[in-house]
Amino acid sequence: GAGVSQSPRYKVAKRGQDVALRCDPISGHVSLFWYQQALGQGPEFLTYFQNEAQLDKSGLPSDRFFAERPEGSVSTLKIQRTQQEDSAVYLCASSLQYEQYFGPGTRLTVT
Amino acid sequence: RKEVEQDPGPFNVPEGATVAFNCTYSNSASQSFFWYRQDCRKEPKLLMSVYSSGNEDGRFTAQLNRASQYISLLIRDSKLSDSATYLCVVNSLSDYKLSFGAGTTVTVRA
Repeated sequence: GAGVSQSPRYKVAKRGQDVALRCDPISGHVSLFWYQQALGQGPEFLTYFQNEAQLDKSGLPSDRFFAERPEGSVSTLKIQRTQQEDSAVYLCASSLQYEQYFGPGTRLTVT
Repeated sequence: RKEVEQDPGPFNVPEGATVAFNCTYSNSASQSFFWYRQDCRKEPKLLMSVYSSGNEDGRFTAQLNRASQYISLLIRDSKLSDSATYLCVVNSLSDYKLSFGAGTTVTVRA
């Protein structure tokens, strides 16, 4: 069956550009998570949605980061005025109960 | 201090060997424990949950020591396909957030 998909898989942005990263969760999964994984590190929690409600955004590094899931399915993570320190893999995960299923990630490189 | 600490390795072992490594966690309220596997440039995938009594899944054995707040993973009869980064993951029952360690890299050589 279809897993979590993310697009684009790779994104190169010039410093100061805005980017939008998309996540298509597994159909029917209520919970959706965004993580940021820097090179050589484990994923770090960014934000959590239950259906369309963003219940926790405590992990977002700054107000340049914004996430939405307006219809409780597809989610978009937007980063405004990208900085070099935003370079990382952005992982989306969805779950029905406890196990989180990860998408392949979007590798963002800010030059 | 990070919530989950792991020895980054790498552990380089020959095929057929046994390899074991630990992680420690700082939050004594943590209730759920997992090992995830991450291949190079791929997403993390759940390898196994870790239960208080310890559990085995084929060649993989996980142990939890709540008193010392550490979790271990042992791989027996290692295969080339076991080469990966193993992420130690914890969370508390009231917290949906997963806290990941930085991972332990295992390389199995022929």
